[in-house]
Amino acid sequence: AQSVAQPEDQVNVAEGNPLTVKCTYSVSGNPYLFWYVQYPNRGLQFLLKYITGDNLVKGSYGFEAEFNKSQTSFHLKKPSALVSDSALYFCAVREAGTALIFGKGTTLSVSS
Amino acid sequence: DVKVTQSSRYLVKRTGEKVFLECVQDMDHENMFWYRQDPGLGLRLIYFSYDVKMKEKGDIPEGYSVSREKKERFSLILESASTNQTSMYLCASSYRDRGPGANVLTFGAGSRLTVL
Repeated sequence: AQSVAQPEDQVNVAEGNPLTVKCTYSVSGNPYLFWYVQYPNRGLQFLLKYITGDNLVKGSYGFEAEFNKSQTSFHLKKPSALVSDSALYFCAVREAGTALIFGKGTTLSVSS
Repeated sequence: DVKVTQSSRYLVKRTGEKVFLECVQDMDHENMFWYRQDPGLGLRLIYFSYDVKMKEKGDIPEGYSVSREKKERFSLILESASTNQTSMYLCASSYRDRGPGANVLTFGAGSRLTVL
């Protein structure tokens, strides 16, 4: 069965510093990997996805994620954090023919 | 823009009541999903549907049922609401596995249900 783990409940960074939000997954076949973001009192928004191709995927708002097959990871990164990046981030995974399964979420707090 | 509209933003119901949560999407998406979101538990899949009149159980289907009579509408039904079903319910839709938009879920704003 597919599963996804976000090992950190909260990540704190200072504005201007790089940020990483971690995600690991487990699937039996090739993974389809996603990151979504939920800003306070708003719905979930799609950030980026990896289906196939380059291991480094670029998405919205300057975010990127690196697919690492050997470590079964798909960490979300941004070179320079903004206070407005503060939100709840969800990693998600699916196998072909199944529905998307989400992690428990990581709260990102960026301080000024 | 794709829109996923959930009919009720906030609901308060009593234990044992039958509850209907409605979701409508306007982009001809084949797939529709119901998740519930609880603090510390993330999003958990209740039911999903790949086509009209089709439904598949997700990870936590107990206590819920769904209906998809039309492509654009996917309803979540709580036959007899219980306090442990107090939660935020999120509807989402997506294209089937085709094109650049495939697999990308578009979410509604959510329905916050409180069962007393």
